[in-house]
Amino acid sequence: DAGVIQSPRHEVTEMGQEVTLRCKPISGHDYLFWYRQTMMRGLELLIYFNNNVPIDDSGMPEDRFSAKMPNASFSTLKIQPSEPRDSAVYFCASRYRDRGFTEAFFGQGTRLTVV
Amino acid sequence: GENVEQHPSTLSVQEGDSAVIKCTYSDSASNYFPWYKQELGKRPQLIIDIRSNVGEKKDQRIAVTLNKTAKHFSLHITETQPEDSAVYFCAASSVDSNYQLIWGAGTKLIIKP
Repeated sequence: DAGVIQSPRHEVTEMGQEVTLRCKPISGHDYLFWYRQTMMRGLELLIYFNNNVPIDDSGMPEDRFSAKMPNASFSTLKIQPSEPRDSAVYFCASRYRDRGFTEAFFGQGTRLTVV
Repeated sequence: GENVEQHPSTLSVQEGDSAVIKCTYSDSASNYFPWYKQELGKRPQLIIDIRSNVGEKKDQRIAVTLNKTAKHFSLHITETQPEDSAVYFCAASSVDSNYQLIWGAGTKLIIKP
């Protein structure tokens, strides 16, 4: 497996524009996580899915953020409208539950810059 | 809910010396404690983990210790090398939290030549 794949790797957009980040988890993994990483706030969990169902979205900062997982092999994180304070690295991670705890594999991240 | 605190935020050690990073957690139900390493510009990657039925685990130059009574766990790196320079994150997880990882704030480890 090629690992968790995120696209795009870098995104520069103007304030007010819609941004869509994409993630393909590792095949067979039933948990998918979206994280945001900044120097100030560290690694923040935004939302996670189990078997394509959103379980906890309490980390989503505001209504401008939305996430979907239409099937087991694809998820999107959308920001509409984007603001400069959304600039960060967004990571997607996946894992599977096999009698308990297993490693979370991260994608390479999307570096988002909102100008 | 669970809260994980990590110290120090920055650690600078001489190459060849040992480094120790400490984390404390609040939820006594937590029973899985991984450590991730994130090199500059790269993704976090698991380097070692420990489950609550074990007090210590070693893998070559790295080791993790767990004190369940005190609710803290530590990462030990011996004979540090330049490639150990990175940010290290601890995390805690439990069945009660649906296996969600609760992360520490990270420690930037600097290895001085």
